[in-house]
Amino acid sequence: EAGVVQSPRYKIIEKKQPVAFWCNPISGHNTLYWYRQNLGQGPELLIRYENEEAVDDSQLPKDRFSAERLKGVDSTLKIQPAELGDSAVYLCASSWLGMGHTEAFFGQGTRLTVV
Amino acid sequence: EDQVTQSPEALRLQEGESSSLNCSYTVSGLRGLFWYRQDPGKGPEFLFTLYSAGEEKEKERLKATLTKKESFLHITAPKPEDSATYLCAVQESDSWGKLQFGAGTQVVVTP
Repeated sequence: EAGVVQSPRYKIIEKKQPVAFWCNPISGHNTLYWYRQNLGQGPELLIRYENEEAVDDSQLPKDRFSAERLKGVDSTLKIQPAELGDSAVYLCASSWLGMGHTEAFFGQGTRLTVV
Repeated sequence: EDQVTQSPEALRLQEGESSSLNCSYTVSGLRGLFWYRQDPGKGPEFLFTLYSAGEEKEKERLKATLTKKESFLHITAPKPEDSATYLCAVQESDSWGKLQFGAGTQVVVTP
């Protein structure tokens, strides 16, 4: 079974430019997460979707970050404009929240470098 | 503020030298505690979920235990392939689905 797929794996952009990341979750998973991981730190939640609905976006910097999950499957995270401090690894994860199952499964991540 | 603290930050072991990693947490109510393994350049890989104090889970050379305030990940007779960063995360009772991660323990096992 395919895991969580993210693209691109790496992205280098100049500051003030836009960037977008794409995620395809594990088939059948109803919950999708976007996390950001800085070097030497654990992942931090940016946004969580249950099906199509964003149920927790309290940590998403809404002035420059946006996300969508069309048809409750794939998701896109966008940054516009990017700042130097946005350099990090952006991780997508998915899970099936129900029947006692709560573990999330992660993709390989997108390493963003803003120069 | 709720926190997840992992110690030590880094651990260097000889092959076969058993050791333990610690994850202490302060949350109002725990729904679950998760351990992940992360290799360089990859996303976290799920290892275990623990739900209640006294619970234990094992996988190969790894064993996770849980008390009311902390969890331990025991590595028995480690091999070089056990080298990775081990992340602990907690899920609060009133925060369905949200994982709060610690900074991780970087483990290096030398032959």
